Amino acid sequence: AQSVTQPDIHITVSEGASLELRCNYSYGATPYLFWYVQSPGQGLQLLLKYFSGDTLVQGIKGFEAEFKRSQSSFNLRKPSVHWSDAAEYFCAVGVRAGNMLTFGGGTRLMVKP
Amino acid sequence: DTAVSQTPKYLVTQMGNDKSIKCEQNLGHDTMYWYKQDSKKFLKIMFSYNNKELIINETVPNRFSPKSPDKAHLNLHINSLELGDSAVYFCASSQDGIRNEQFFGPGTRLTVL
Repeated sequence: AQSVTQPDIHITVSEGASLELRCNYSYGATPYLFWYVQSPGQGLQLLLKYFSGDTLVQGIKGFEAEFKRSQSSFNLRKPSVHWSDAAEYFCAVGVRAGNMLTFGGGTRLMVKP
Repeated sequence: DTAVSQTPKYLVTQMGNDKSIKCEQNLGHDTMYWYKQDSKKFLKIMFSYNNKELIINETVPNRFSPKSPDKAHLNLHINSLELGDSAVYFCASSQDGIRNEQFFGPGTRLTVL
């Protein structure tokens, strides 16, 4: 069965600093990988996704992620964090059967002024 | 226009009761989902449903059942509520296919006393 690990439960960065959120997955086949963001009291919004091709994918809000098969990782990055980026971030792996997503435990990002 | 809506937003009830949460999407999607987010923010797929099949996460108790009166609605029925059912429940929808973005509703916070 597939699984996703986000090693960092909380991360605090200063506004304007760079950000990297870690994600490791376990899946037997070529993974379908996603990053979602959840603002307080809200549902989830897709930031970006990877299926194949270029291993560096661009998403919304200035985020990007890099797929590294050798490390089973799909880390999310942003060069300069804004205060509005404070939220919970979820990495997920998807399977074709039922389009079902398996989520990691999430990383809460806090941004210092 | 709200893409995926859920009612009610909050639901407080006693142990042993039966309750329903409604979900509607106006995106014309053919696949809908229910997710459960527990108090530690861990997000787990419960069901995936389209007009072809229902896929159930094997960890979901059979007290939970999805009901779809039409393509735009997927309601969640819960029988004999237990304390451990307290969580936030999210509905989502997408076009069929794992590559398609899932759009999430705002969530329903269920509290079982």
